[in-house]
Amino acid sequence: QVQLVQSGAEVKKPGASVKVSCKASGYTFMDYYIHWVRQAPGQGLEWMGWMNANNGGTGYAQKFQGRVTLTRDTSITTAYMEMSSLRPDDTAVYHCVRAAGASHFDYWGQGALVTVSS
Amino acid sequence: DIVMTQSPDSLAVSLGERATINCKSSQSVLYRSNNKNYLAWFQQKPGQPPKLLIYWASTRESGVPDRFSGSGSGTDFTLTISSLQAEDVAIYYCQQYYNLPRTFGQGTKVEIK
Repeated sequence: QVQLVQSGAEVKKPGASVKVSCKASGYTFMDYYIHWVRQAPGQGLEWMGWMNANNGGTGYAQKFQGRVTLTRDTSITTAYMEMSSLRPDDTAVYHCVRAAGASHFDYWGQGALVTVSS
Repeated sequence: DIVMTQSPDSLAVSLGERATINCKSSQSVLYRSNNKNYLAWFQQKPGQPPKLLIYWASTRESGVPDRFSGSGSGTDFTLTISSLQAEDVAIYYCQQYYNLPRTFGQGTKVEIK
């Protein structure tokens, strides 16, 4: 069965960076895209960006351009989201999500809570 | 960016009654070349990731109970729960995947009356 298993919760200080992993299994990793969506406490869903797991191509929401980097390691079928210059309002649960090309999101990771606090 | 607006923000429905959630997009999400609406619905329960219910506006995901249905086209869409069950208490989100950035509605909280 398809699974996206994310790394654990992180606590970071303002100005630091964080890297969240998303281990995919149960399907051919390179046949799909991985998107990242975050959810601040008690808030809605915010799309951050996408990555083509086949060729590593990426695209980002304008507000995250330059601060977020999406990568992958195909040898271990894992996608990564790295965010720099963290601020307290980056405190959120970060989800990876699978999509087939320009299609709907079907499987979600369980989410990784990133807390930014001094 | 396509703005997705849901209504209402919350609703309380008696068990066994119908719940209806509306979603309006700021521009059409109907792709005329394949006549498909690039619109999905998700259900999110506390402490869980969102779960896909409906895609292409009206196609039910495998395993989703048939009391959930989606309808609409162009800019106006509806998610209907025909007979509300206790396990349907959740927040529901619509999302467009017509273009980038992907955008979500603000969510509709469904509770039991």
